[in-house]
Amino acid sequence: DAGVIQSPRHEVTEMGQEVTLRCKPISGHNSLFWYRQTMMRGLELLIYFNNNVPIDDSGMPEDRFSAKMPNASFSTLKIQPSEPRDSAVYFCASRLGQNQPQHFGDGTRLSIL
Amino acid sequence: SQQGEEDPQALSIQEGENATMNCSYKTSINNLQWYRQNSGRGLVHLILIRSNEREKHSGRLRVTLDTSKKSSSLLITASRAADTASYFCATENTGTASKLTFGTGTRLQVTL
Repeated sequence: DAGVIQSPRHEVTEMGQEVTLRCKPISGHNSLFWYRQTMMRGLELLIYFNNNVPIDDSGMPEDRFSAKMPNASFSTLKIQPSEPRDSAVYFCASRLGQNQPQHFGDGTRLSIL
Repeated sequence: SQQGEEDPQALSIQEGENATMNCSYKTSINNLQWYRQNSGRGLVHLILIRSNEREKHSGRLRVTLDTSKKSSSLLITASRAADTASYFCATENTGTASKLTFGTGTRLQVTL
């Protein structure tokens, strides 16, 4: 079975550039989550979608971050403009429903120089 | 914010020994989940225990939940070198049913 697929696996870019992270959830899952993981702050939920609709974006750091889910099989997380403090590993996860586990992708390691 | 707090932060044991990790949380929950993360990889789900359950087993894993103390423990029996990873507890809190709040994790090192 294909799991959650994230791309790219690694991204290195200069400050000020736009960064787009991509996620393909597991087919049939109706919830999608974006997380950020750093040594200092641990794993933080940025935003989640139910049935392609954003439900809670209270974890999005600031207006430079935006996320979309145009259909059930694709989501993007954009950072524009990027800053060095955005450097982290970004994970996407999907879930079949409530009281079900989340399935994580292998993440995108983002470095902003 | 991080609700779950794992204890200990790091644990080093020898292969064959048992490893016990603890998790405390603050609010009422629908369920509590344990995940493993190997270096450079995503989190992998291990066990989900619902708020009305007290104990669950899966292979060499045993999870307990005490909602009166707002705590859970994960026991790995007969540990193997391949169990070396970080382990996280996560709570699905009542009122925020879709969200998981992760703890800070326990780094487990199993040596030969």
